[in-house]
Amino acid sequence: DAGVIQSPRHEVTEMGQEVTLRCKPISGHNSLFWYRQTMMRGLELLIYFNNNVPIDDSGMPEDRFSAKMPNASFSTLKIQPSEPRDSAVYFCASSQEETQYFGPGTRLLVL
Amino acid sequence: DQQVKQNSPSLSVQEGRISILNCDYTNSMFDYFLWYKKYPAEGPTFLISISSIKDKNEDGRFTVFLNKSAKHLSLHIVPSQPGDSAVYFCAARALPGGSYIPTFGRGTSLIVHP
Repeated sequence: DAGVIQSPRHEVTEMGQEVTLRCKPISGHNSLFWYRQTMMRGLELLIYFNNNVPIDDSGMPEDRFSAKMPNASFSTLKIQPSEPRDSAVYFCASSQEETQYFGPGTRLLVL
Repeated sequence: DQQVKQNSPSLSVQEGRISILNCDYTNSMFDYFLWYKKYPAEGPTFLISISSIKDKNEDGRFTVFLNKSAKHLSLHIVPSQPGDSAVYFCAARALPGGSYIPTFGRGTSLIVHP
């Protein structure tokens, strides 16, 4: 298996633009997680899905952030409009039981 | 308020010596603990875990110790190797009845010098 796949790996955009991050979880995994990593706050859970249904989105910072999982093999995290403080590395992870498997991350820079 | 704390942002160790990474937690409901390792430009990967019913779990050069009364766990790497240089995240989870989603610390960057 290729593991969790994320795209793009790097994104540079200007403040106010829409950003869409994509994730393909490991086949057969029924849970998917979006995390954000910053120096100040470490790894923060933004939202997680179980069987494609959002279970907990309390970590989503504000209404500018939204996430969808239209099917078991694809999820998106969208930021609209983006702001410089959104600059971070965004990780997607999937799991079947207890262990989470992380993707390589998307490094986002908002100018 | 951070429930999982890694108070040392970085640690530098000589190759062949022991590396000790520490982690403290505040939530007494946590009963399962994990360590993840992260290389630059990669996602974190699971390293080792321990249940609260144990005080030690060993896997090769890696050993995790848990002191429930002190709400403290540590990861020992013996002997340390340059390839162990990475960021190590401590994570904790509450089961049953709590969320199975782990709460992560901010990480400790380990550098092992040749």
